[in-house]
Amino acid sequence: NAGVTQTPKFQVLKTGQSMTLQCAQDMNHEYMSWYRQDPGMGLRLIHYSVGAGITDQGEVPNGYNVSRSTTEDFPLRLLSAAPSQTSVYFCASRPKQGANTEAFFGQGTRLTVV
Amino acid sequence: QKEVEQDPGPLSVPEGAIVSLNCTYSNSAFQYFMWYRQYSRKGPELLMYTYSSGNKEDGRFTAQVDKSSKYISLFIRDSQPSDSATYLCAMKRPTGNQFYFGTGTSLTVIP
Repeated sequence: NAGVTQTPKFQVLKTGQSMTLQCAQDMNHEYMSWYRQDPGMGLRLIHYSVGAGITDQGEVPNGYNVSRSTTEDFPLRLLSAAPSQTSVYFCASRPKQGANTEAFFGQGTRLTVV
Repeated sequence: QKEVEQDPGPLSVPEGAIVSLNCTYSNSAFQYFMWYRQYSRKGPELLMYTYSSGNKEDGRFTAQVDKSSKYISLFIRDSQPSDSATYLCAMKRPTGNQFYFGTGTSLTVIP
């Protein structure tokens, strides 16, 4: 089992560029989430999905878009990158039956916006 | 005030020591409590989770929840150099999809 796979692992963007962070899971989990991790801030929820076709905003959604066309994939789009979006991004998944525990995280995408 | 407070450390202990890691919280509605281990440049890994109050033990790890004090703890017995990592706590209310994470405590176990 691959678990939760994120690509790319590292990315450098220029201000104003757009890009998509990929996340895929092979555990048939209904719930998927995107977090950002910044020093001194802890993990903060950007967007989440409770199933294919259903997404919602988290704590810090501005500047990001998501869609969920399949159970397996949950890409995160940066519309116009800003230096404030420099962070480490984590995708997570969990089954509906274990929805009260964020169970599986990917290895992260380290993004720098210059 | 943050929903969850966690001392960032760093914490340095000799191999074999008992380690105590702690988080406090302000929202009495939290019912689900989690501890994660995060190695450098890796994703968080779920270590323990508990519901409501009480203790839970898994090998060398024990999680405690004291809802009256709004305080949770993770104890690591017979600590090993491989336990060197950042430990995150997290909490959740019974409804909704929001998890509240602490900022993490950095632990180093010295051989």
